[in-house]
Formats: sequence, structure tokens, C-alpha cells
Amino acid sequence: DAGITQSPRHKVTETGTPVTLRCHQTENHRYMYWYRQDPGHGLRLIHYSYGVKDTDKGEVSDGYSVSRSKTEDFLLTLESATSSQTSVYFCAISEGTVPYEQYFGPGTRLTVT
Amino acid sequence: GQNIDQPTEMTATEGAIVQINCTYQTSGFNGLFWYQQHAGEAPTFLSYNVLDGLEEKGRFSSFLSRSKGYSYLLLKELQMKDSASYLCAVQPGTYKYIFGTGTRLKVLA
Repeated sequence: DAGITQSPRHKVTETGTPVTLRCHQTENHRYMYWYRQDPGHGLRLIHYSYGVKDTDKGEVSDGYSVSRSKTEDFLLTLESATSSQTSVYFCAISEGTVPYEQYFGPGTRLTVT
Repeated sequence: GQNIDQPTEMTATEGAIVQINCTYQTSGFNGLFWYQQHAGEAPTFLSYNVLDGLEEKGRFSSFLSRSKGYSYLLLKELQMKDSASYLCAVQPGTYKYIFGTGTRLKVLA
């Protein structure tokens, strides 16, 4: 199994508060991703990183920011959480070589009340 | 726009064969993936197709037709543990992946 951890695994927070989710990998993979998964929508890409300090937006990036200061860590920040950001968040990593598969972390269940 | 379609739910009997279809329309194509996701767990990689044809891996096979924007995942000798969601994903460019909403498969005894 790929060495990916996410913290926290569960979080309940109030509307308007900032929240940071952490993804940590021990595989030294170049590419890291943040997805959210909601019923009826499947996995949707929020942001991704293709190297230290190199990040870009996905399809649902509004209200989220990311940072990657080290190869092993990719942080997702909700600057001011809203109820629409209640979701399960998955981090994924990829080596960037064929077959380009992604390995997913265990997920973080975030509830915004 | 970019779109991936798969059936929402399928039911099959233990020991049978089931085919899960996926159609896609994307701006580019670098490969198609199938993932398995058990309830409450993370997705896990099953297969990768970049060229037309069939890729076989044990009880699971995946087929791709790039000209038709079509793929299927074939599961043989179904087992109860195969009850899960199956996600079809396309890599339209170098870094990004687009996922379908997933097909929930129920295997009945």
C-alpha cells in the first residue's frame, strides 16, 4: 500500500471558520491531488500539485487554497468554511509514469454546521 | 465540455459475469482508468487502458475503444466482496483526471 495519510480523519466545524486538511506521503511521488466526493457528483478535482510550490486549480477550486512547501506534504485550506463544503475529501498521489495510476489516502470527512 | 457517463447501479448474482460500461467525451485523452471503491473507503486502482483493445487482469478485464469514446469493465466469477462502486476516470491531459459518478454494484447470493 502507498504511504499516504490524511489528518484529521473527521472534523466538525462551524460556518465561517478556517480549516486546514493535511496530506502526507512517504512515497516521494511528484504529483499530489485534492478531491472532494459528494453523492451524485463523484470525485471532483479541487487543486493539484506537480512539484514543490507548483500548484494549479481543478474544476471546483473556489473557496479553497493549497500549499506544498515539501515534497511529502500537501495542505488544503478552506479560508472560511461554508455548509456547501461539507464533503469527504481525498488526497491522491501519482508517480507520473505509465500507467499513471493514482493512490488515494483514507479520506477526511468534514462537516460544516 | 468534458463528460463521463456510467450507470448508477447494477445488480448481479454471485458467480455470474457483469459488464459495467463507461462513455466519455473529453478535450484530450492520455488514458482511461477503472477504480474500485468499497463503501466508506478510498478508491483503489484496478486497470489502465491507453490503446484500443482488451486488458485482462485475473477476474477483471477492461476494454477501450477510443474512436467510440467507450470502455467497459468486465468482472467474472463474481464474489460477494466485489460489491462496491466502480469508478471510470479519464486523463485528458498530463496532470488532470476526470471521474465519472461511479456505478454501485450489488452482488447477491
